[in-house]
Amino acid sequence: QSALTQPASVSGSPGQSITISCTGTSSDVGGYNYVSWYQQHPGKAPKLMIYDVSDRPSGVSNRFSGSKSGNTASLTISGLQAEDEGDYYCISYTSSSTWVFGGGTKLTVL
Amino acid sequence: QLQLQESGPGLVKPSETLSLTCTVSGGSISAGSYYWGWIRQPPGKGLEWIGNIYYSGSTFYNPSLKSRVTISVDTSKNQFSLELSSVTAADTAVYYCARRRGNSSGLDYWGQGTLVTVSS
Repeated sequence: QSALTQPASVSGSPGQSITISCTGTSSDVGGYNYVSWYQQHPGKAPKLMIYDVSDRPSGVSNRFSGSKSGNTASLTISGLQAEDEGDYYCISYTSSSTWVFGGGTKLTVL
Repeated sequence: QLQLQESGPGLVKPSETLSLTCTVSGGSISAGSYYWGWIRQPPGKGLEWIGNIYYSGSTFYNPSLKSRVTISVDTSKNQFSLELSSVTAADTAVYYCARRRGNSSGLDYWGQGTLVTVSS
């Protein structure tokens, strides 16, 4: 299985909105509403930010939102804050009953 | 509050078997419909899904690792384990254990991760 495709890096200024894409195929992202997103800070374990494409766990800011169109899922962060800086990963369920991560995106808050 | 904690050797020799255990506290590993899994992250690189086990014992593995991986569960100790055989330097990584609720994609609880280095 091939890793999902994410941009290597994105950046934005405080207060702006950014979107990170996660592109797969009809056998993973496009075929199921089982995509989740994780934020990771250096030296820390990943933190769940969005699950099942667009659901937000309790305690996660509503500035984080998720969506999907065709074979591409997206994570949008609005009102960018310095604390949002870090690495972001998507993961999707696949038709082989396995899971595949995206390559990760480094978010820089300018 | 559920907590997961990885444990095991931090150094493994090439061609040997890497063995890690994840101890679950604050909840029962056999309560409810949960999947318990392993994810790894080589230094400076991205996350890789290794596999998971359902509380009943069904297992699912990354096809690229399937021939070398075994995940098992010990409900009496509230633990699940990872074995990765015939390791090479490419298996050097931080290994995380995590929980996923059935019928959901979210890995909602993670261990802190443990670095395993493969070197002679």
